[in-house]
Amino acid sequence: AQSVSQHNHHVILSEAASLELGCNYSYGGTVNLFWYVQYPGQHLQLLLKYFSGDPLVKGIKGFEAEFIKSKFSFNLRKPSVQWSDTAEYFCAVLSGGSYIPTFGRGTSLIVHP
Amino acid sequence: DAGITQSPRHKVTETGTPVTLRCHQTENHRYMYWYRQDPGHGLRLIHYSYGVKDTDKGEVSDGYSVSRSKTEDFLLTLESATSSQTSVYFCAISESGDTQFFGPGTRLTVL
Repeated sequence: AQSVSQHNHHVILSEAASLELGCNYSYGGTVNLFWYVQYPGQHLQLLLKYFSGDPLVKGIKGFEAEFIKSKFSFNLRKPSVQWSDTAEYFCAVLSGGSYIPTFGRGTSLIVHP
Repeated sequence: DAGITQSPRHKVTETGTPVTLRCHQTENHRYMYWYRQDPGHGLRLIHYSYGVKDTDKGEVSDGYSVSRSKTEDFLLTLESATSSQTSVYFCAISESGDTQFFGPGTRLTVL
């Protein structure tokens, strides 16, 4: 079965620090990749997604992610975080042809002002 | 935001009582999903639907049933609620079975 690993469960940063959250998956075939964000007390929202093409994907609020097929990774990055980025971040992977995504367990990010 | 509502938004109930949560969409999306979110477990899929009257089980379906009699509504029923079903429940929809849009969630407490 497909599995998704988010190695960082809790990350604490100061404002203006750079961010990288790891996401690795196990499926070796075609995948669609997603990062969702959940702000405190809210529902999940799409941050960015990769289906095909340029492996460097840019999303909302200055986030980007890079798909590295050889490493089965889709890490999320932001060069300079803000207090408002405090949230939980979920990586999700959809195997080719499936409509049931596999979610990682999430990474809680706290940004201190 | 996609047109998804969940009702009720909060519910407190007692062990052994039946509970039904409703997800309503105005997007005419084909796919609908029910998840539960618990600390340390992330999102876990309970049931999903790939069309009217077409549903299937997810990874944590025990104790839950669903129905989808029309495109816009997806109901989740706990036949006899237990304390282990205390959770936050999210509905999600998807037009093509890829990107999902989530509802605001229902916080359920089973005493």
